[in-house]
Amino acid sequence: EIVLTQSPGTLSLSPGERATLSCRASQSVSSTYLAWYQQKPGQAPRLLIYGASSRPTGIPDRFSGSGSGTDFNFTISRLEPEDFAVYFCHQYVTSHTFGQGTKVEIK
Amino acid sequence: QVQLRESGPGLVKPSETLSLICTVSGGSIRSHYWSWIRQPPGKGLEWIGYIFYSGSINYNPSLKSRVTISVDTSKEQLSLKLSSVTAADTAVYYCASGGLDAFDLWGQGTMVTVSS
Repeated sequence: EIVLTQSPGTLSLSPGERATLSCRASQSVSSTYLAWYQQKPGQAPRLLIYGASSRPTGIPDRFSGSGSGTDFNFTISRLEPEDFAVYFCHQYVTSHTFGQGTKVEIK
Repeated sequence: QVQLRESGPGLVKPSETLSLICTVSGGSIRSHYWSWIRQPPGKGLEWIGYIFYSGSINYNPSLKSRVTISVDTSKEQLSLKLSSVTAADTAVYYCASGGLDAFDLWGQGTMVTVSS
């Protein structure tokens, strides 16, 4: 099983700041098979990034992803009030596993 | 647009079988792979398994011995059965589109508590 480890566990930032989240895989993951989700309390996750760097239709361009191999990053260029949430990475090259999540909270 | 809605009992007794339904509306169940995913309270996400209407199925190895996923194309529904449940199976259960790729559409989820 591929284990995904996200860091930091919590990120405290102010609106307008840049957020950078990390996801490290226990073995190499083709960038084609890495996704990021946003989850707000009481809601289902929402897909923000797939294929490591592609955005589904309707996802704002302040959300971006990068990386390859075992190290992937997710960036929110300028935090909006509605971006404070938990973010999960997900690999789907071998079965499916998720990271434990990074909470982006208001500082 | 396609919408997903999970339904089923919110309370299941230990050792019994958890049974949930996901109804697909606004689209065809034949058009996607479909997965079940769960999330224990305050914890992360765990993929349970996926199915395609033609019969392609894959389960999480850690749950494989207890899980059955099926599709009823006439009702545009997929189902989940999880046997011999324990308190560790208490979670919000989601259905989502996807199986070989990212999960691009999710239901709102349904909370299932395992308790006597």
